[in-house]
Parts: sequence; structure tokens; C-alpha cells
Amino acid sequence: KNQVEQSPQSLIILEGKNCTLQCNYTVSPFSNLRWYKQDTGRGPVSLTIMTFSENTKSNGRYTATLDADTKQSSLHITASQLSDSASYICVVSPRSGGSNYKLTFGKGTLLTVNP
Amino acid sequence: DTAVSQTPKYLVTQMGNDKSIKCEQNLGHDTMYWYKQDSKKFLKIMFSYNNKELIINETVPNRFSPKSPDKAHLNLHINSLELGDSAVYFCASSRAGGTQNIQYFGAGTRLSVL
Repeated sequence: KNQVEQSPQSLIILEGKNCTLQCNYTVSPFSNLRWYKQDTGRGPVSLTIMTFSENTKSNGRYTATLDADTKQSSLHITASQLSDSASYICVVSPRSGGSNYKLTFGKGTLLTVNP
Repeated sequence: DTAVSQTPKYLVTQMGNDKSIKCEQNLGHDTMYWYKQDSKKFLKIMFSYNNKELIINETVPNRFSPKSPDKAHLNLHINSLELGDSAVYFCASSRAGGTQNIQYFGAGTRLSVL
């Protein structure tokens, strides 16, 4: 069983609407959690990074939250745009030696924004 | 300018062939990675190099051999290609040290083994 589970698997929304993507993880001990955006045919691009002591981190219209007690994170997208259509991947880094190197990736949520 | 560039973008080949994928980064990073993204879309690390030294070698068949001629390059050579090797391979780079260093990914190489 993967240690990073994301929901929903896919989501379709209308342009201008808000949405929230969920991530549950079991990676422990935990160092930091990252959200990446992966456009079709492209490599992932980092949106936010949060350590276990941070509760929220924003990047423009993207706001990530983290509850280290329940091991849950969410990514909220406000005023969605057509260019937000992509896969959003939750990535967890364990707290161990060289932990930056061995990240655990979720499967991603495929978001489609329609006009 | 592309920060992490991979070539080729697409690679179609027959089973049993040997092929290489090249990766170069111009970000001044000293850690580079190879990831495999299979049909289920999970990204899994294969190898990581720091200052040309291998630091991560996951359970990958020894048909896969990474080579780092310098800090800016990490190439992946695959011998005796098999059908199960079909996937998208991503190269990435980051600064060494610290747990929050962002990994920058290339655009991927889509490998199809026929």
C-alpha cells in the first residue's frame, strides 16, 4: 500500500470555481510535505513545501494546509483558470538521513477546468 | 532556457536493444535523480547522484546503469530492453543538503518498448 494517498482521483470543475484536493499519508517520521503540479507531457513543478511545524503555505491562488497530527494535507485552488488543468501530486519526505533524496509520491489528482 | 533538459523526448525501440537517455541541468545543482513514472502514474526514484557519487540505488534491475560524467549531467543507459521498461523517465536536480530543497524536473522521456 502506497504511503501517500490522494483523493479524488479526478475532478472536473468550471472555470472560476474553487476546489480542494486531499492527501493522506502514513510516512513516518515525517519531514516535509510538497505539492507538485504536473501538466500533461511535462515534468512536475513544485507549488509548495511545508515542514511538519507549518500549517499553511500559499503560492498565488494555491493554498496548502497541513495537519501533522492527522497526517492530512489539502491543496485549495481559488478562482480556477483553464491553465490549472493538470495532475496535482502530493509528495512526502521522511525524516531521516539524506531525506531530501527519497521522496514518496502520491498518484495525483487529475484536475480538469472547463470553460 | 530549459533548466533540466532530457533527450530524447520520445524513444521507441525493440525488445533486447540497448538505449541511453541523457540529462543536463544548468541550475548549478550538485544532486541529480532519475525517476520512473509507470502507467499507474506513480513516480518512483531509481537513482540519485550527489557530486557525481551514487547515493541512492533503489531496487532497479542492473540492466539500468546511470553515469554522471560531471555534476551537470546524469545519463541513463538501459541494456536488453524489456516490455516492462515502457514508461516515462524523468530526470531531476536539486541543491544538496537540507530537506526542503526543491527538485526541478525535466520534461520526461517517453520510452516505448515493442
